[in-house]
Amino acid sequence: DTGVSQNPRHKITKRGQNVTFRCDPISEHNRLYWYRQTLGQGPEFLTYFQNEAQLEKSRLLSDRFSAERPKGSFSTLEIQRTEQGDSAMYLCASSLTTGNQPQHFGDGTRLSIL
Amino acid sequence: AQTVTQSQPEMSVQEAETVTLSCTYDTSESDYYLFWYKQPPSRQMILVIRQEAYKQQNATENRFSVNFQKAAKSFSLKISDSQLGDAAMYFCAYRSAEGAQKLVFGQGTRLTINP
Repeated sequence: DTGVSQNPRHKITKRGQNVTFRCDPISEHNRLYWYRQTLGQGPEFLTYFQNEAQLEKSRLLSDRFSAERPKGSFSTLEIQRTEQGDSAMYLCASSLTTGNQPQHFGDGTRLSIL
Repeated sequence: AQTVTQSQPEMSVQEAETVTLSCTYDTSESDYYLFWYKQPPSRQMILVIRQEAYKQQNATENRFSVNFQKAAKSFSLKISDSQLGDAAMYFCAYRSAEGAQKLVFGQGTRLTINP
């Protein structure tokens, strides 16, 4: 068990550019979640996958955001035409499906928009 | 929609003393889970303790325990014998037992440990 891995740890980009983040969940976990955390706030849910199916998306996830989990393993989160308000920590978490299994978080990707 | 409220933005405690962090939540569901997560500076979110709503007995994990009051929708965290390594942001979180089971977080409480 190597834990949830996120890359890159930090991303600095100019407004209007596209960015993509990657999350590798714990290997046997079939659920994968993306959250966004702004400074001094708790994380907010963005979207969730069960295996390769994206089953729920938050209204926070505008049409500039897209997430995939093509083979039910790693996931990518892409933001197109980045805006200042996209600056945040993007957290990935994974879990098993059954019962009260907790979500395990990665270190996050911190996005800074210049 | 469910909401979680942490009314204490900051708390401090002397090393070796006991501190209690407050959390209230709002839900119309009867089956759910509650969690406390710890987020040290620039480090990942770590699960501290969890509570199933159907269990009346309060959860305990070593120096960490909760006071779960279902009728009052209250879920406080007690840290006994505080240690310097306990310094972190603490987040209370709610999760439905059905559906996506996404976590709904409170705003967090920053805990400082004074040596």
